[in-house]
Amino acid sequence: SQTIHQWPATLVQPVGSPLSLECTVEGTSNPNLYWYRQAAGRGLQLLFYSVGIGQISSEVPQNLSASRPQDRQFILSSKKLLLSDSGFYLCAWNGKGLNNQPQHFGDGTRLSIL
Amino acid sequence: KQEVTQIPAALSVPEGENLVLNCSFTDSAIYNLQWFRQDPGKGLTSLLLIQSSQREQTSGRLNASLDKSSGRSTLYIAASQPGDSATYLCAVVTMGRRALTFGSGTRLQVQP
Repeated sequence: SQTIHQWPATLVQPVGSPLSLECTVEGTSNPNLYWYRQAAGRGLQLLFYSVGIGQISSEVPQNLSASRPQDRQFILSSKKLLLSDSGFYLCAWNGKGLNNQPQHFGDGTRLSIL
Repeated sequence: KQEVTQIPAALSVPEGENLVLNCSFTDSAIYNLQWFRQDPGKGLTSLLLIQSSQREQTSGRLNASLDKSSGRSTLYIAASQPGDSATYLCAVVTMGRRALTFGSGTRLQVQP
């Protein structure tokens, strides 16, 4: 069966520090991968998605970036964190198809910026 | 731009009641609609997926319906239990996009 892993589960970082969150999927190949953010009091917002290695699409302008160095690995990064980057970051995957495949989510990373 | 709205924002019911959660979306050109459950501080658990060509899906005590033309979906929970307490999220994949657009959720509390 397929599983999705995110780490770390929680992270406390000072303003201006770098960030690297990792997501890996097991049990499938060539998945679509997604990064969402859930800010306090707000709904889930798509940040990035990827349909293949090295292919990244960004939904909103921000100081975050994403990379997909391997088929089942998706990384969210920042060179300098802002207070507004605090939130709950969720990685998701689904299979290829006519955009009709369900998305499956990881357990998330709670990021607090001090 | 697709917008998804969920009503009510919060709901408290006694154990054993049947209940309905509502979801509406502004752009009816969707591929599918998905209902999720989120426990506090946790990720999302997929409950049901309804394709645009379908009218409803059932899983155990859960039944989700879809009226694409009117932009509405309902999640029906039968014989609610305290373990059903969580936030329920509705999300759609709009044609021309790959990712989900989420509603803000309904926070459900089932009292024992």
